[in-house]
Amino acid sequence: ELKVEQNPLFLSMQEGKNYTIYCNYSTTSDRLYWYRQDPGKSLESLFVLLSNGAVKQEGRLMASLDTKARLSTLHITAAVHDLSATYFCAVDRAGRRETSGSRLTFGEGTQLTVNP
Amino acid sequence: DGGITQSPKYLFRKEGQNVTLSCEQNLNHDAMYWYRQDPGQGLRLIYYSQIVNDFQKGDIAEGYSVSREKKESFPLTVTSAQKNPTAFYLCASSRWAGRVAGDYNEQFFGPGTRLTVL
Repeated sequence: ELKVEQNPLFLSMQEGKNYTIYCNYSTTSDRLYWYRQDPGKSLESLFVLLSNGAVKQEGRLMASLDTKARLSTLHITAAVHDLSATYFCAVDRAGRRETSGSRLTFGEGTQLTVNP
Repeated sequence: DGGITQSPKYLFRKEGQNVTLSCEQNLNHDAMYWYRQDPGQGLRLIYYSQIVNDFQKGDIAEGYSVSREKKESFPLTVTSAQKNPTAFYLCASSRWAGRVAGDYNEQFFGPGTRLTVL
């Protein structure tokens, strides 16, 4: 059974600081997704990571994937209040075919609060 | 305007009643999914459908049923057999990105339905 663990689960940080959220998973996969969720809202796709060593950046967020270590990181640079949200990583355990769809196992989420 | 719609946004149910949550997409996506989210937790997969007239159980299917008669629609029924149905329900859909793009099916989510059992 695939397990996905995020840490920390709660993160309170000051504006301008840097921090990293970690996502560990238990079985082989090379497709990992990061999502953002604002309170009471749905999930918004942030990054798709598809191979070992993949790195994606958007604004103050950068995500990376190490498939050998079964680890993905989401790095926050110079945090601002607008980044306050819950961040989820999700690992795909489906096959690599057009008809596979995807089978995501989600981490518990990291609730990020950025304080002025 | 392409997207995924879910209705209703809020739903209240008495114990012992079945209720059906609607999910519609006009993205021409083949696969659709239902998830449940409990407070402070991640999403758990209830059912998924890769193609019309076919669907499979996810990790927590007991007490739920689905149908997929049209590509655009994937309704979820929460039956009275579901012991603790109060939760936030999210529907998603995905389309294969193609071999050149990397062989993946990124999921996009609807706005959700918040179900409360009274």
